[in-house]
Amino acid sequence: NAGVMQNPRHLVRRRGQEARLRCSPMKGHSHVYWYRQLPEEGLKFMVYLQKENIIDESGMPKERFSAEFPKEGPSILRIQQVVRGDSAAYFCASSGLAVKETQYFGPGTRLLVL
Amino acid sequence: GQQLNQSPQSMFIQEGEDVSMNCTSSSIFNTWLWYKQDPGEGPVLLIALYKAGELTSNGRLTAQFGITRKDSFLNISASIPSDVGIYFCAERTQGGSEKLVFGKGTKLTVNP
Repeated sequence: NAGVMQNPRHLVRRRGQEARLRCSPMKGHSHVYWYRQLPEEGLKFMVYLQKENIIDESGMPKERFSAEFPKEGPSILRIQQVVRGDSAAYFCASSGLAVKETQYFGPGTRLLVL
Repeated sequence: GQQLNQSPQSMFIQEGEDVSMNCTSSSIFNTWLWYKQDPGEGPVLLIALYKAGELTSNGRLTAQFGITRKDSFLNISASIPSDVGIYFCAERTQGGSEKLVFGKGTKLTVNP
């Protein structure tokens, strides 16, 4: 019973390039959350998605960042024209349908922008 | 916005010692969660608390949801080297996204 999968685990990009981070939720889970963690900090919420819908994107920067969770396939967090300040660990979590359902986290993608 | 104050920021202890860390909130919430993060990994849920005054144990871990609903503590008894990691408190927002708000973490080092 696979947990939340994220790939790549590490990603290096030069300033101005695009970064695509993928997340496959646990089997049977239809809720996906993305969080960002800066060094020595806690996780900060970015966006909450259900299949084909963005439910809450209040934590997403207004520009360059986008997320999707298509009907088929993984959820994608896309960062266009990356800058050094985007360097961080990006975590995906998934949960099921029930109220108070636990969010299970993936191992994260560590993005380094040179 | 919601703020969680977690303390201490770091702890250095000897194997076998007990550990206590706590978290306070500027707002009242209905859920307190405690996570542990190992280096290079994602957070793993340790204990979830849903009622004011609730005291819950998970092996050597014990956590309590404060009566005021604005604080929580986590105790680890008889620490062992594998307890090393960063411990985060988190709250779940209500009504809608159920997103989590995390504290800044307590980094625990256990000397054998």
